[in-house]
Amino acid sequence: DSGVTQTPKHLITATGQRVTLRCSPRSGDLSVYWYQQSLDQGLQFLIQYYNGEERAKGNILERFSAQQFPDLHSELNLSSLELGDSALYFCASSDSHKKSSYNEQFFGPGTRLTVL
Amino acid sequence: GNSVTQMEGPVTLSEEAFLTINCTYTATGYPSLFWYVQYPGEGLQLLLKATKADDKGSNKGFEATYRKETTSFHLEKGSVQVSDSAVYFCALSERHELNKFYFGSGTKLNVKP
Repeated sequence: DSGVTQTPKHLITATGQRVTLRCSPRSGDLSVYWYQQSLDQGLQFLIQYYNGEERAKGNILERFSAQQFPDLHSELNLSSLELGDSALYFCASSDSHKKSSYNEQFFGPGTRLTVL
Repeated sequence: GNSVTQMEGPVTLSEEAFLTINCTYTATGYPSLFWYVQYPGEGLQLLLKATKADDKGSNKGFEATYRKETTSFHLEKGSVQVSDSAVYFCALSERHELNKFYFGSGTKLNVKP
């Protein structure tokens, strides 16, 4: 158990709909990262938040947005869903604010999104 | 910019065979290097890590050495087991980027009994 939780575990919805994925980082971790894993594109970095502020953007579509709340949990919002958005969405957290030589990311179990 | 390149899969081996999965990187600074493993139906788990040149990370019989001169971090195991079947990801991060990770494309390993 990495200490990172994600809900829901599975989500099935229709094209054009909007969904929200939720992530709670490990206790004490200020950084949250979102990734998309699809069969044909591997693991794609979407976005990073640090203590409530956006810090880095990757291959995130304009239809997608995220935020990190004062209690440090994060939500990824996916709107106008398309069939191609079907994928595993992972959240990860790290203690990047600490002066440590080890800065690994801890991954949650993922949310499997199926768009029909 | 930063990037990670790892060998294409899938890699299929018989039990007790020797494993090498190649990983090379490009980095602007002095990155930390990682191998993550993803078992079927699960999230990524850290397998091993190395934070500076010539460091060797090891865990569960897997090893990888941080080679700055060849910008490589190849994963090795002397004798694989069926339970090692998974997808392996090489990754790097630089602290000045607040731990933004750069992942390789993943290498699927199939071990047959």
